[in-house]
Amino acid sequence: AQSVTQPDIHITVSEGASLELRCNYSYGATPYLFWYVQSPGQGLQLLLKYFSGDTLVQGIKGFEAEFKRSQSSFNLRKPSVHWSDAAEYFCAVGADFPNDYKLSFGAGTTVTVRA
Amino acid sequence: EPEVTQTPSHQVTQMGQEVILRCVPISNHLYFYWYRQILGQKVEFLVSFYNNEISEKSEIFDDQFSVERPDGSNFTLKIRSTKLEDSAMYFCASRDRGLSGEQYFGPGTRLTVT
Repeated sequence: AQSVTQPDIHITVSEGASLELRCNYSYGATPYLFWYVQSPGQGLQLLLKYFSGDTLVQGIKGFEAEFKRSQSSFNLRKPSVHWSDAAEYFCAVGADFPNDYKLSFGAGTTVTVRA
Repeated sequence: EPEVTQTPSHQVTQMGQEVILRCVPISNHLYFYWYRQILGQKVEFLVSFYNNEISEKSEIFDDQFSVERPDGSNFTLKIRSTKLEDSAMYFCASRDRGLSGEQYFGPGTRLTVT
C-alpha cells in the first residue's frame, strides 16, 4: 500500500523568503505524485502533479516540485512566498491501479507567512 | 472553468440519524471518489466509484456507508446511522478517463454529529 510522510507539521517563513516543503512517499511502482493546497475552510486545490518525464515540474502560483526516485521524495518549493501562500499543504500519492488512482495523503504542513 | 460542487456546505445531525451528502462531479468525468478529513487529521480515502459500481473502498467504508449515482449527474454518500466519530469534512472528487489521474475536489461538506 502506498503512503506519504510530510516530516514538517508547521513551517513559518517570512514574506519574500524561499519555501521548501518536504514529502517522502512509499510505493512499489512508479508513483503518481501531487501537491494540494487547502486554505482555511476551503477545499483542496491542485498545485502540481508528476506522472512521468521531467522530474522538475512547474505548478500554479509559482510553485515547483522535484521528483527524486533515489530519495523517494517530491519536495515542493517556491522561491519567494507571498502572504497569500499561508495555508495547509498536502502531498499525495496515487496508486497506479486500473480505474482507481485513489490518493493517499500526508498529514499536511501548515505554512505561516510573517510580514 | 468546470468545478465539483457539494451540498450542503454544513450539515448538523443527531447521532443515529441518516444523512445524505450530495456532490455534482464535473460533467464529462467518469471516476468518482469520497474522502473525509477529521478535524486536524489527514485526508482519508473512503471509496471510489466507476461504471456504476464501487471499485475500491477503505476499511472506514463499512456497512453504514453507501454511495449512489442516481441520475447521471449527482453522486451521493449516505451514512445510515451516524456516530459521533463520523463528524468530519467530506470531500467529493472526480476525474476523467485520461491517464493523468488528476482528481478535482469539491469544497467539502462539514458534517457535525451531536
